Amino acid sequence: EAQVTQNPRYLITVTGKKLTVTCSQNMNHEYMSWYRQDPGLGLRQIYYSMNVEVTDKGDVPEGYKVSRKEKRNFPLILESPSPNQTSLYFCASSFWGEDAEAFFGQGTRLTVV
Amino acid sequence: TQLLEQSPQFLSIQEGENLTVYCNSSSVFSSLQWYRQEPGEGPVLLVTVVTGGEVKKLKRLTFQFGDARKDSSLHITAAQPGDTGLYLCAGSFMIKAAGNKLTFGGGTRVLVKP
Repeated sequence: EAQVTQNPRYLITVTGKKLTVTCSQNMNHEYMSWYRQDPGLGLRQIYYSMNVEVTDKGDVPEGYKVSRKEKRNFPLILESPSPNQTSLYFCASSFWGEDAEAFFGQGTRLTVV
Repeated sequence: TQLLEQSPQFLSIQEGENLTVYCNSSSVFSSLQWYRQEPGEGPVLLVTVVTGGEVKKLKRLTFQFGDARKDSSLHITAAQPGDTGLYLCAGSFMIKAAGNKLTFGGGTRVLVKP
């Protein structure tokens, strides 16, 4: 089954404790991205990757890091989480092309206390 | 600042009524997508419109892309409780032609009461 898998689905952590949210896709997509979703703001892009070892900042990259060592995986790293990073996070992947369909994971709800 | 403005933010209607959701921008889109998101899930693509003036129908859902490619609408006829969800528009801008960067609107939460 074609899918984007995120882990964990839920995470509560304390300020400053490094964490990683994993994302894996099985569709051989070149393009992967991370979004955060906050009420009334829709989805805002954090980082994206056009292929292995090629990543770039999205609209709200501060406080986040990513890596793309393999085509299928695109982890999101919070080196020192802060309460303003409490949000719902989505990983998405797609083929190349402006009208390509983006496939989303089920989301990771992160709470930083 | 939202580049894509969706309206209304929230819509509550009775089963059988019609509804329209709007997505507007001052910029020209190269393409526009509509997604629907249910609680606890990620967004799922409903449709992609590419040509100015294009109209696409998906059962009771009608999607229209403005002639100038700056706006779009989603119309649901005879809404059913199963249409309840968060509807998101997402645009690819011509100046961002280098990649698949989608810019999302703030979403419209639709509640259809039985």
